[in-house]
Amino acid sequence: QVQLVESGGGVVQPGRSLRLSCAASGFTFSTYAIHWVRQPPGEGLEWVAVISYDGTNKYYADSVKGRFTISRDNSKNTQYLQMNSLRTEDTAFYYCAKGLVGKTTVTSPLDYWGQGTLVTVSS
Amino acid sequence: EIVLTQSPGSLSLSPGERATLSCRASQSVSNNYLAWYQQKPGQAPRLLIYRASFRATGIPDRFSGSGSGTDFTLTITRLEPEDFAVYYCHQYGSSPLTFGQGTKVEIK
Repeated sequence: QVQLVESGGGVVQPGRSLRLSCAASGFTFSTYAIHWVRQPPGEGLEWVAVISYDGTNKYYADSVKGRFTISRDNSKNTQYLQMNSLRTEDTAFYYCAKGLVGKTTVTSPLDYWGQGTLVTVSS
Repeated sequence: EIVLTQSPGSLSLSPGERATLSCRASQSVSNNYLAWYQQKPGQAPRLLIYRASFRATGIPDRFSGSGSGTDFTLTITRLEPEDFAVYYCHQYGSSPLTFGQGTKVEIK
Protein backbone atom coordinates (compact mmCIF):
# COMPACT_ATOMS: atom_id res chain seq x y z
CA GLN A 1 0.00 0.00 0.00
CA VAL A 2 1.06 3.58 -0.56
CA GLN A 3 3.01 5.08 2.34
CA LEU A 4 4.62 8.45 2.81
CA VAL A 5 6.67 8.99 5.96
CA GLU A 6 8.00 12.39 6.90
CA SER A 7 10.96 12.92 9.20
CA GLY A 8 13.34 15.65 10.27
CA GLY A 9 11.03 17.93 12.20
CA GLY A 10 11.96 19.46 15.52
CA VAL A 11 12.60 22.66 17.41
CA VAL A 12 14.91 25.19 15.78
CA GLN A 13 15.84 28.81 16.44
CA PRO A 14 14.84 31.58 14.05
CA GLY A 15 17.33 32.01 11.24
CA ARG A 16 18.53 28.42 11.41
CA SER A 17 18.01 25.57 8.94
CA LEU A 18 16.28 22.21 8.90
CA ARG A 19 15.90 19.48 6.29
CA LEU A 20 12.76 17.40 6.06
CA SER A 21 12.62 14.04 4.32
CA CYS A 22 9.69 12.15 2.85
CA ALA A 23 10.25 8.42 2.32
CA ALA A 24 7.83 6.80 -0.11
CA SER A 25 6.80 3.20 -0.72
CA GLY A 26 4.04 1.21 -2.38
CA PHE A 27 4.04 3.01 -5.73
CA THR A 28 6.41 3.90 -8.57
CA PHE A 29 7.95 6.96 -6.94
CA SER A 30 9.68 8.22 -10.08
CA THR A 31 6.33 8.64 -11.86
CA TYR A 32 4.65 11.07 -9.49
CA ALA A 33 5.07 14.65 -8.36
CA ILE A 34 5.37 15.11 -4.62
CA HIS A 35 4.15 18.18 -2.74
CA TRP A 36 4.73 19.71 0.67
CA VAL A 37 1.74 21.20 2.48
CA ARG A 38 1.95 22.74 5.94
CA GLN A 39 -0.54 23.43 8.69
CA PRO A 40 0.14 25.59 11.75
CA PRO A 41 -1.34 23.92 14.83
CA GLY A 42 -5.08 24.60 14.95
CA GLU A 43 -5.09 26.41 11.60
CA GLY A 44 -5.74 25.68 7.93
CA LEU A 45 -3.70 24.15 5.14
CA GLU A 46 -1.06 26.02 3.14
CA TRP A 47 0.58 24.61 0.04
CA VAL A 48 4.39 25.01 0.21
CA ALA A 49 6.09 23.45 -2.81
CA VAL A 50 6.01 20.76 -5.48
CA ILE A 51 8.62 18.92 -7.49
CA SER A 52 7.85 17.12 -10.72
CA TYR A 53 8.24 13.37 -11.10
CA ASP A 54 11.66 13.76 -12.73
CA GLY A 55 12.87 16.67 -10.62
CA THR A 56 13.07 19.13 -13.50
CA ASN A 57 10.22 21.43 -12.43
CA LYS A 58 9.83 23.01 -9.02
CA TYR A 59 7.29 25.52 -7.78
CA TYR A 60 7.07 27.33 -4.46
CA ALA A 61 4.65 29.42 -2.46
CA ASP A 62 5.70 33.06 -2.28
CA SER A 63 6.01 32.75 1.51
CA VAL A 64 8.93 30.31 1.18
CA LYS A 65 10.46 31.23 -2.17
CA GLY A 66 14.19 31.86 -1.87
CA ARG A 67 14.36 30.18 1.56
CA PHE A 68 13.11 26.63 0.92
CA THR A 69 14.42 24.18 -1.67
CA ILE A 70 12.63 21.03 -2.75
CA SER A 71 14.53 18.09 -4.23
CA ARG A 72 14.19 14.36 -4.74
CA ASP A 73 16.30 11.25 -5.14
CA ASN A 74 14.37 8.76 -7.24
CA SER A 75 16.97 6.06 -6.57
CA LYS A 76 16.10 6.28 -2.85
CA ASN A 77 12.35 6.92 -3.21
CA THR A 78 12.85 9.99 -1.06
CA GLN A 79 12.00 13.66 -1.36
CA TYR A 80 13.50 16.50 0.63
CA LEU A 81 12.62 19.99 1.78
CA GLN A 82 15.62 22.11 2.76
CA MET A 83 14.39 24.99 4.90
CA ASN A 84 16.77 27.90 5.48
CA SER A 85 16.35 31.23 7.28
CA LEU A 86 13.48 29.83 9.29
CA ARG A 87 10.97 32.21 10.81
CA THR A 88 8.52 31.81 13.67
CA GLU A 89 5.69 31.85 11.12
CA ASP A 90 7.11 28.66 9.56
CA THR A 91 6.00 26.74 12.67
CA ALA A 92 3.63 24.05 11.43
CA PHE A 93 3.01 20.41 10.73
CA TYR A 94 4.60 19.63 7.39
CA TYR A 95 2.95 16.98 5.22
CA CYS A 96 4.29 15.43 2.05
CA ALA A 97 1.62 14.36 -0.40
CA LYS A 98 1.56 12.49 -3.69
CA GLY A 99 -0.08 13.70 -6.87
CA LEU A 100 -2.93 11.55 -8.14
CA VAL A 101 -1.94 11.67 -11.79
CA GLY A 102 1.42 10.42 -12.99
CA LYS A 103 3.89 12.53 -14.92
CA THR A 104 2.26 15.84 -14.02
CA THR A 105 3.58 18.54 -11.75
CA VAL A 106 1.04 21.06 -10.54
CA THR A 107 -2.19 19.91 -12.13
CA SER A 108 -3.04 16.94 -9.96
CA PRO A 109 -4.92 16.63 -6.68
CA LEU A 110 -3.20 15.05 -3.70
CA ASP A 111 -4.36 11.50 -3.15
CA TYR A 112 -2.03 10.20 -0.43
CA TRP A 113 -0.58 12.11 2.48
CA GLY A 114 1.95 11.33 5.17
CA GLN A 115 1.13 11.81 8.83
CA GLY A 116 3.20 14.97 9.07
CA THR A 117 6.23 16.16 11.01
CA LEU A 118 6.13 19.15 13.34
CA VAL A 119 8.55 22.01 12.86
CA THR A 120 8.70 24.53 15.68
CA VAL A 121 10.67 27.72 15.15
CA SER A 122 11.27 29.40 18.47
CA SER A 123 14.03 31.13 20.38
CA GLU B 1 -2.89 33.76 -6.81
CA ILE B 2 -6.38 32.29 -6.69
CA VAL B 3 -8.05 32.94 -3.33
CA LEU B 4 -10.62 30.36 -2.25
CA THR B 5 -13.32 31.46 0.17
CA GLN B 6 -15.34 28.76 1.90
CA SER B 7 -18.72 29.24 3.50
CA PRO B 8 -20.02 28.83 6.03
CA GLY B 9 -17.10 28.76 8.46
CA SER B 10 -18.93 26.17 10.51
CA LEU B 11 -22.06 24.10 10.19
CA SER B 12 -23.98 22.51 13.04
CA LEU B 13 -26.06 19.53 11.89
CA SER B 14 -27.46 16.23 13.13
CA PRO B 15 -26.62 12.78 11.77
CA GLY B 16 -28.85 11.99 8.80
CA GLU B 17 -29.10 15.62 7.70
CA ARG B 18 -27.77 17.08 4.47
CA ALA B 19 -24.67 19.29 4.44
CA THR B 20 -23.96 21.81 1.70
CA LEU B 21 -20.54 23.47 1.68
CA SER B 22 -19.52 26.25 -0.67
CA CYS B 23 -16.18 27.26 -2.15
CA ARG B 24 -15.84 30.43 -4.20
CA ALA B 25 -12.71 31.27 -6.19
CA SER B 26 -11.41 34.79 -6.84
CA GLN B 27 -10.92 33.84 -10.49
CA SER B 28 -11.88 30.95 -12.70
CA VAL B 29 -10.25 27.64 -11.76
CA SER B 30 -8.51 26.21 -14.79
CA ASN B 31 -10.18 23.05 -16.13
CA ASN B 32 -12.26 22.94 -12.92
CA TYR B 33 -9.21 21.55 -11.12
CA LEU B 34 -10.91 21.85 -7.75
CA ALA B 35 -10.66 19.21 -5.04
CA TRP B 36 -12.26 18.66 -1.64
CA TYR B 37 -10.53 17.10 1.38
CA GLN B 38 -11.76 15.92 4.74
CA GLN B 39 -9.59 16.28 7.83
CA LYS B 40 -10.25 14.84 11.27
CA PRO B 41 -8.33 15.89 14.42
CA GLY B 42 -4.81 14.47 14.51
CA GLN B 43 -5.06 13.08 10.99
CA ALA B 44 -3.81 14.05 7.57
CA PRO B 45 -6.33 15.32 5.02
CA ARG B 46 -8.13 12.75 2.86
CA LEU B 47 -9.02 13.37 -0.77
CA LEU B 48 -12.78 13.16 -1.35
CA ILE B 49 -13.49 14.84 -4.70
CA TYR B 50 -11.29 15.98 -7.58
CA ARG B 51 -11.90 17.89 -10.77
CA ALA B 52 -14.97 19.36 -9.08
CA SER B 53 -17.15 16.25 -9.28
CA PHE B 54 -15.14 13.03 -9.43
CA ARG B 55 -15.15 10.92 -6.29
CA ALA B 56 -11.77 9.59 -5.19
CA THR B 57 -11.24 5.87 -4.73
CA GLY B 58 -13.20 4.44 -1.82
CA ILE B 59 -15.27 7.55 -1.11
CA PRO B 60 -18.95 6.79 -0.35
CA ASP B 61 -21.54 8.08 -2.81
CA ARG B 62 -23.16 10.27 -0.14
CA PHE B 63 -20.32 12.70 -0.98
CA SER B 64 -20.77 14.63 -4.21
CA GLY B 65 -19.20 17.68 -5.77
CA SER B 66 -20.53 20.13 -8.30
CA GLY B 67 -19.80 23.49 -9.84
CA SER B 68 -17.52 25.09 -12.36
CA GLY B 69 -15.57 28.26 -12.99
CA THR B 70 -15.58 30.11 -9.69
CA ASP B 71 -18.38 28.46 -7.69
CA PHE B 72 -18.15 24.95 -6.30
CA THR B 73 -20.18 22.90 -3.84
CA LEU B 74 -19.59 19.80 -1.74
CA THR B 75 -22.75 18.01 -0.68
CA ILE B 76 -23.02 15.25 1.91
CA THR B 77 -26.51 13.83 1.48
CA ARG B 78 -26.95 12.01 4.81
CA LEU B 79 -24.39 12.79 7.48
CA GLU B 80 -22.87 9.79 9.21
CA PRO B 81 -21.17 10.14 12.62
CA GLU B 82 -17.75 9.77 10.97
CA ASP B 83 -18.42 12.71 8.63
CA PHE B 84 -18.08 15.35 11.33
CA ALA B 85 -14.78 16.95 10.45
CA VAL B 86 -13.21 19.95 8.71
CA TYR B 87 -13.51 20.18 4.93
CA TYR B 88 -11.13 22.09 2.66
CA CYS B 89 -11.41 23.01 -0.99
CA HIS B 90 -8.22 23.17 -3.01
CA GLN B 91 -7.42 24.46 -6.49
CA TYR B 92 -4.62 22.79 -8.40
CA GLY B 93 -5.16 24.40 -11.78
CA SER B 94 -2.39 26.94 -11.44
CA SER B 95 0.59 27.73 -9.27
CA PRO B 96 0.61 28.71 -6.49
CA LEU B 97 -1.83 26.00 -5.46
CA THR B 98 -4.21 27.26 -2.81
CA PHE B 99 -6.62 25.98 -0.18
CA GLY B 100 -9.75 27.46 1.28
CA GLN B 101 -9.80 28.26 4.98
CA GLY B 102 -12.01 25.28 5.79
CA THR B 103 -15.57 24.56 6.92
CA LYS B 104 -16.07 22.71 10.18
CA VAL B 105 -19.06 20.36 10.24
CA GLU B 106 -20.09 19.86 13.86
CA ILE B 107 -22.62 17.64 15.57
CA LYS B 108 -25.69 19.55 16.65
